[in-house]
Amino acid sequence: SAVISQKPSRDICQRGTSLTIQCQVDSQVTMMFWYRQQPGQSLTLIATANQGSEATYESGFVIDKFPISRPNLTFSTLTVSNMSPEDSSIYLCSVDYVGKETQYFGPGTRLLVL
Amino acid sequence: AQSVAQPEDQVNVAEGNPLTVKCTYSVSGNPYLFWYVQYPNRGLQFLLKYITGDNLVKGSYGFEAEFNKSQTSFHLKKPSALVSDSALYFCAVRDINSGYSTLTFGKGTMLLVSP
Repeated sequence: SAVISQKPSRDICQRGTSLTIQCQVDSQVTMMFWYRQQPGQSLTLIATANQGSEATYESGFVIDKFPISRPNLTFSTLTVSNMSPEDSSIYLCSVDYVGKETQYFGPGTRLLVL
Repeated sequence: AQSVAQPEDQVNVAEGNPLTVKCTYSVSGNPYLFWYVQYPNRGLQFLLKYITGDNLVKGSYGFEAEFNKSQTSFHLKKPSALVSDSALYFCAVRDINSGYSTLTFGKGTMLLVSP
C-alpha cells in the first residue's frame, strides 16, 4: 500500500482567504483524487488529478473554487479559494494504481473556516 | 450510475458479541466492493475488498465480508467485537464494466462497541 502524507493536518482560516493543501505519495501513482467530507457526512469526490493534464471536476465543484495542481507522479495540491464557513470539512487525498483495484487515502486535512 | 446504501446510521454491540454492518449496492455491471474504517481524527483505512472468487473475503483486524450477488449485498462481519473496533465504517463500490470508474461511498455506519 502507499504511504500518503498531507499538509497541513488541520487549520483554522478566516472567511475570504485561501488555503492550499499538499498531498505527497511515497511512490509514483497514476491517478490522485481529492475528496471532501463535511461534518457527519460521507465522502464526496471533488476531482481527479492526472499528471500532465487538467483535473476533472465532479458536478458541483469548479476549478475557480478548487484549483488543483499535479506537477509530477508523487505530488498534488488542492486550493480552497475564497473560503466560507460552509467549506469547513475534512479534505482527503487518495491514490490509485493502474491495474490495482484499491484506492488508498491520506490522513486528511481538517479545515475550520470562521 | 452506481450507488451504495448503508441502512444503519449506528450499530451498537457489546464486546465479545458478533457484529454485522450492512451494505447493499447498485451497479450496471460487475462490482468491486470495499470496506474502509475511519477512526476519530484519522483518514480512511482500507479493511478488505471483493474483486472476484470466493464470496467470503477476509481483511484486517479480524473483519470479513460476504458478497451476495443475488441480494446485491456486501455485509461486514466480525465474530467477536472489541471496544477498539468502535469507529465509522464506509462501504464503497466501483463498476468494473464501465472502463475506469471512481469509487462511490455509502453514508457510513458508526459502530459502537460497549465494554
